[in-house]
Amino acid sequence: SQTIHQWPATLVQPVGSPLSLECTVEGTSNPNLYWYRQAAGRGLQLLFYSVGIGQISSEVPQNLSASRPQDRQFILSSKKLLLSDSGFYLCAWSAPDWSTDTQYFGPGTRLTVL
Amino acid sequence: AQSVSQHNHHVILSEAASLELGCNYSYGGTVNLFWYVQYPGQHLQLLLKYFSGDPLVKGIKGFEAEFIKSKFSFNLRKPSVQWSDTAEYFCAVNGWRALTFGSGTRLQVQP
Repeated sequence: SQTIHQWPATLVQPVGSPLSLECTVEGTSNPNLYWYRQAAGRGLQLLFYSVGIGQISSEVPQNLSASRPQDRQFILSSKKLLLSDSGFYLCAWSAPDWSTDTQYFGPGTRLTVL
Repeated sequence: AQSVSQHNHHVILSEAASLELGCNYSYGGTVNLFWYVQYPGQHLQLLLKYFSGDPLVKGIKGFEAEFIKSKFSFNLRKPSVQWSDTAEYFCAVNGWRALTFGSGTRLQVQP
């Protein structure tokens, strides 16, 4: 069966510091991968999605970037964090052929920028 | 661009009460519709989904949702809620390769 991991689970970082959040998927090949952010009182906002290694689509212009160095690894980064980057970050995967369009979510990372 | 509206932000019910959470979407093409649930301290997980066919879909834990195309709605229902249904519920639509989520409804069921 497929599993999705995210780490760290929680993170407290000062403004201006760098960020690296990691997501890995097991039990599937060539998944579509996604990064979402959930801000307090809001729904989930899609940040990035990837259909393959090195292929990243950005949905919202922002202070963040994403990379996919390996088939089942998706990384969310920032060079300098802003206060507004605080939130709950979720990684998700879906089948590569878009046949179901169902996305499966990881446990999330709660980021607090002070 | 597609959008999803959930009209109820916070719902409080007593056990055994009936539940209906509203969801309306805006998208011009064929859509796939989802309800996700996030129980306290747990992953976001799929509750039910509609791709095609019978507009009344049944999901886990006794939940169901009805797709009404003319109203662009996909409301979630459960005839009798339990304390364990306390969670946050998200409606989502998938038009092209990504999900657009509503802002969520926090359901609190009182014993």
